[in-house]
Amino acid sequence: DQQVKQNSPSLSVQEGRISILNCDYTNSMFDYFLWYKKYPAEGPTFLISISSIKDKNEDGRFTVFLNKSAKHLSLHIVPSQPGDSAVYFCAAREYTDKLIFGTGTRLQVFP
Amino acid sequence: DVKVTQSSRYLVKRTGEKVFLECVQDMDHENMFWYRQDPGLGLRLIYFSYDVKMKEKGDIPEGYSVSREKKERFSLILESASTNQTSMYLCASSYGRREGRNEQFFGPGTRLTVL
Repeated sequence: DQQVKQNSPSLSVQEGRISILNCDYTNSMFDYFLWYKKYPAEGPTFLISISSIKDKNEDGRFTVFLNKSAKHLSLHIVPSQPGDSAVYFCAAREYTDKLIFGTGTRLQVFP
Repeated sequence: DVKVTQSSRYLVKRTGEKVFLECVQDMDHENMFWYRQDPGLGLRLIYFSYDVKMKEKGDIPEGYSVSREKKERFSLILESASTNQTSMYLCASSYGRREGRNEQFFGPGTRLTVL
């Protein structure tokens, strides 16, 4: 039973436009959510996070939105750049320090 | 900058061999984790450790064991490698919850192929 789901395996966006990556979760006890970016043959790198007591967090071109009632979070990248092409994982923290990861969305930004 | 290093980037082993994957972090993190990444399955937790000599099973511990004798080092052991353990193995570390920091920092990964 997957507690964190990324239903879109891939997304293609034109350079300069907005990329929206989505993530759904089932466990209302998650208290912290994170987004990671992963290039091929490298480890994931932390992008941005949000506490469950907030509904928005912004860092430069990256904004994460959290809708607790819908158990949904999204990552917005504006404007998208070719270097953003990577696999994006959302993750949720449970009561321990463990993270539960989604299956990832491959973002491709084309010129 | 936090640095998490893994002993090998690529490894090829034969079925039945004992395999050791080493991970070292330099930020005095309490927590260390081992994941495997497979296409379409995301990152799945194998084991984690929240203190020296302490370990807890993750979601897929079967066929693996771990060792944490020093705070900075966390080893993953495949007792008898099998072809279904061919995967990308990722080590991560993080501060404990009381430190108020939540993100995990990942190493570059080890691509293990079992023939």
